[in-house]
Amino acid sequence: TQLLEQSPQFLSIQEGENLTVYCNSSSVFSSLQWYRQEPGEGPVLLVTVVTGGEVKKLKRLTFQFGDARKDSSLHITAAQPGDTGLYLCRGTTSGTYKYIFGTGTRLKVLA
Amino acid sequence: KAGVTQTPRYLIKTRGQQVTLSCSPISGHRSVSWYQQTPGQGLQFLFEYFSETQRNKGNFPGRFSGRQFSNSRSEMNVSTLELGDSALYLCASSSGIRAETRSSYEQYFGPGTRLTVT
Repeated sequence: TQLLEQSPQFLSIQEGENLTVYCNSSSVFSSLQWYRQEPGEGPVLLVTVVTGGEVKKLKRLTFQFGDARKDSSLHITAAQPGDTGLYLCRGTTSGTYKYIFGTGTRLKVLA
Repeated sequence: KAGVTQTPRYLIKTRGQQVTLSCSPISGHRSVSWYQQTPGQGLQFLFEYFSETQRNKGNFPGRFSGRQFSNSRSEMNVSTLELGDSALYLCASSSGIRAETRSSYEQYFGPGTRLTVT
């Protein structure tokens, strides 16, 4: 069974703090995406990474794809209450082209 | 531009029944994917359609099926419902599939259909 493990599962922090969410697998991915989902809504795409070692920045969010394309991280600088939500990574497996979502990280940023 | 719409938003069925869920993608999008989201299993990929053809399939039993029409609207059907089929079913649309990575271009998700099986 191909799995994408995310850590931590839950995170509650104060506004202004920094945090990192990890997405790890033993499978190699041809691409990986990060989404944020809020209650009652579908996930919203944040970023797509394709190349091993790739780093992308989206305002206060920094995404990194591992060199071997098996893992990824999302770093948020100076978190704000608006960052609250469920963060999901999704990988497309190389060769079999299956879409696998991570286990999710539920983030709560307190004002 | 109207977003992805899913109908119905909420549904209650009993075990053994069958159900059909509908998804209308964003205008101009030709790819539709379906996902099941549960607290225990998270978000799992069901299948993906592009131009009326199933292009990709997850690991779900044959009770789960889908189709796409010429106007890109899609339906998914679950037959012989089980209690474990209770979930949020999400549909996502995109403009197509990247040839080099076989992954979808940016996917836009609908709000989902919450199915409860009793």
